[in-house]
Amino acid sequence: RKEVEQDPGPFNVPEGATVAFNCTYSNSASQSFFWYRQDCRKEPKLLMSVYSSGNEDGRFTAQLNRASQYISLLIRDSKLSDSATYLCVVNQGGKLIFGQGTELSVKP
Amino acid sequence: DTAVSQTPKYLVTQMGNDKSIKCEQNLGHDTMYWYKQDSKKFLKIMFSYNNKELIINETVPNRFSPKSPDKAHLNLHINSLELGDSAVYFCASSTPGQAFGYTFGSGTRLTVV
Repeated sequence: RKEVEQDPGPFNVPEGATVAFNCTYSNSASQSFFWYRQDCRKEPKLLMSVYSSGNEDGRFTAQLNRASQYISLLIRDSKLSDSATYLCVVNQGGKLIFGQGTELSVKP
Repeated sequence: DTAVSQTPKYLVTQMGNDKSIKCEQNLGHDTMYWYKQDSKKFLKIMFSYNNKELIINETVPNRFSPKSPDKAHLNLHINSLELGDSAVYFCASSTPGQAFGYTFGSGTRLTVV
């Protein structure tokens, strides 16, 4: 079983749609959680940290359920510029473990 | 000012050669990392150094040898390159503590022919 598993994707959505990504992690000792964004042929960039209380950054909302070992990312009113691969990431003992990523393509 | 810079950006080389990739960060971070992203886009940690000391060494062939001359630099030397080493190698750095993510360099695309 992979340490961090994500929806396989790709997700193809029209502009303005709401899209949700899900992720599960296997190690209950994981300490912190993130969503990263990776554009084609670029490096991953931190999108947002994820907290148990849930957190929002503009159109992006992240949720963490430690009991279920489940992380989610919701993107509202999607833009063309949101097209990228979204990586679910957990911190285990000081090292970041990445999911395989879910590709999002937003179409006009 | 680039926060984490890697050189070279592209590297094409023949099987059996030895090559190095260099990384430098100007963020004042104590910890640096090497990650490998294969053709399936999976990012996997290879090594981590904290203030010049090796702290994480995943199951990586010993043809790969990291070196950290100081806490702002982390280089990766690869001996006897194989076709399977073709990948994008990312350097990253972070501050101590679990709450922070990493800052990545722009990657080195290695192609072994």
